[in-house]
Amino acid sequence: GDSVTQMEGPVTLSEEAFLTINCTYTATGYPSLFWYVQYPGEGLQLLLKATKADDKGSNKGFEATYRKETTSFHLEKGSVQVSDSAVYFCALKNRSPNGNQFYFGTGTSLTVIP
Amino acid sequence: DTGVSQDPRHKITKRGQNVTFRCDPISEHNRLYWYRQTLGQGPEFLTYFQNEAQLEKSRLLSDRFSAERPKGSFSTLEIQRTEQGDSAMYLCASSPAEAGNTIYFGEGSWLTVV
Repeated sequence: GDSVTQMEGPVTLSEEAFLTINCTYTATGYPSLFWYVQYPGEGLQLLLKATKADDKGSNKGFEATYRKETTSFHLEKGSVQVSDSAVYFCALKNRSPNGNQFYFGTGTSLTVIP
Repeated sequence: DTGVSQDPRHKITKRGQNVTFRCDPISEHNRLYWYRQTLGQGPEFLTYFQNEAQLEKSRLLSDRFSAERPKGSFSTLEIQRTEQGDSAMYLCASSPAEAGNTIYFGEGSWLTVV
């Protein structure tokens, strides 16, 4: 079945460091891929998405490229800030007619220290 | 605020009691989802509505769980005879039918069964 595997945390970085959080997926067909972010005590917010191979999603300095050949959607940011501290979830949604489920990874906790 | 709203945000209940959560989706969204999230895990799909029709149910949704969306607007999730294993955050999300695959989450309802 469809699934998402993401890098285990927690990840601790200094401010202005480069961030990569790895995400790989297993899916039939051509899923859409997402990164959601969850700040402490809040629900999940969409960070970025990509709907087809080679698409790049970007938002708030974060980027991720849909790589079909490696079934990956790694999240990157060139210079993290303290305010980026949160849990990041990779997710997929397949396009089958009955496929209305989103499949989430287990989340990667990021802490950015000043 | 026109986002997804959930009520109550926190609920502590004794084992064996019934609890009900309410979700008000974004007003123009006809799709509504319930997910469950436990500590250190990603959200797990429970059920999905399109308008008032419940179209998908996860095997996670035991017979103690029931969800309704009677008028195709707000939804309720009821858990009967709660067990300690039901302690989790219950997330509601909604999406429009036409706008691709993005879903928008509420802030969640925390349930603690003691």
